[in-house]
Amino acid sequence: DAGITQSPRYKITETGRQVTLMCHQTWSHSYMFWYRQDLGHGLRLIYYSAAADITDKGEVPDGYVVSRSKTENFPLTLESATRSQTSVYFCASRGVWENTEAFFGQGTRLTVV
Amino acid sequence: AQTVTQSQPEMSVQEAETVTLSCTYDTSENNYYLFWYKQPPSRQMILVIRQEAYKQQNATENRFSVNFQKAAKSFSLKISDSQLGDTAMYFCAFMKLGGSEKLVFGKGTKLTVNP
Repeated sequence: DAGITQSPRYKITETGRQVTLMCHQTWSHSYMFWYRQDLGHGLRLIYYSAAADITDKGEVPDGYVVSRSKTENFPLTLESATRSQTSVYFCASRGVWENTEAFFGQGTRLTVV
Repeated sequence: AQTVTQSQPEMSVQEAETVTLSCTYDTSENNYYLFWYKQPPSRQMILVIRQEAYKQQNATENRFSVNFQKAAKSFSLKISDSQLGDTAMYFCAFMKLGGSEKLVFGKGTKLTVNP
């Protein structure tokens, strides 16, 4: 299917466990982003990537790790999950031209207990 | 760093009426885009409208229009003939041109359209 997909849609994990959220896009977009959405904070950027093997920190990167070995995939890993990382996570992608819009995945609701 | 402020956490409007959502932003950049995104209860992020900063003409998309005041750094969204399906969170977002092209979001306005 064309588009941008995130998996899983819902995840419950325990404090201290490692968890990886997957993001896959089929457009070969150069830019990919991870945001977290929390009540009262809107969407905050965790990490972003301008191309394969190029990643950079966003506003709230602590506790997260990303990789981008292939253009179409941009997984987000919580190395040791904490309750403060309970959130809804959105992946987005965007092409290089300045007037192209960013497309968002459906979001992953992560609960850390 | 750029910041985006949405001063209205919640708003409500009667069906068929007009409502305006406010957004202000802070930047020293001259070349940028502004966006309004809609997030219905399904959680999907949907682009409503975009505005290029170099364009003086306000963007319109059917019932949605913006009032872009570059000097005042203001970017409000007007929804005309409100429909029940417009009930959603609305996020204002800023994107600087050149560099990472990342979106900076406001905290959102929850809009409820009442029948």
